[in-house]
Amino acid sequence: ETGVTQTPRHLVMGMTNKKSLKCEQHLGHNAMYWYKQSAKKPLELMFVYNFKEQTENNSVPSRFSPECPNSSHLFLHLHTLQPEDSALYLCASSQVSSGLYNEQFFGPGTRLTVL
Amino acid sequence: KNEVEQSPQNLTAQEGEFITINCSYSVGISALHWLQQHPGGGIVSLFMLSSGKKKHGRLIATINIQEKHSSLHITASHPRDSAVYICAVRAISGNTPLVFGKGTRLSVIA
Repeated sequence: ETGVTQTPRHLVMGMTNKKSLKCEQHLGHNAMYWYKQSAKKPLELMFVYNFKEQTENNSVPSRFSPECPNSSHLFLHLHTLQPEDSALYLCASSQVSSGLYNEQFFGPGTRLTVL
Repeated sequence: KNEVEQSPQNLTAQEGEFITINCSYSVGISALHWLQQHPGGGIVSLFMLSSGKKKHGRLIATINIQEKHSSLHITASHPRDSAVYICAVRAISGNTPLVFGKGTRLSVIA
């Protein structure tokens, strides 16, 4: 595997379900990101992990819970979601050097539908 | 607040046409990115630039720092260029992640 991979690619869940999205990067980067892309809206940054520490949480509802066990893996745990949470969820990674964020590499995304 | 505006929002072109997509932003930046998103969602980074001009194949990206404006040009467009093109900027402090535009949806018709 190369680059940034995400599983599953598609997910349909009910509002009472609990599911997790997985992201893995094979680029040796030290920062990982979760983005949400809703129809006709710009990409929205959700979370940033730098050296496994969460450095940014963009006012994301608590029904989204990130986990970064190591610098190569990032999870997004989902519970009691709402239909408006249906979107494409994109993971990205980059190398952060001296506090500067470099070019990001994106995964293919998970298309989530909440019924 | 850093805002990124792209124009046009939608663009339809005939195969072979020269295409220009514009991006304007409101704050000083350390870098500007052009990204390509194909149907299905995958995003590919096309360019990262902080000054001047870069060229890769049929794609050319330019930036004018003083005017806070960048353009992405596609020469001899082809149906496989059909995608959403996204502009993103990083504020000049450099320690903040990207701010994205809404994207320009390009359709190239054979």
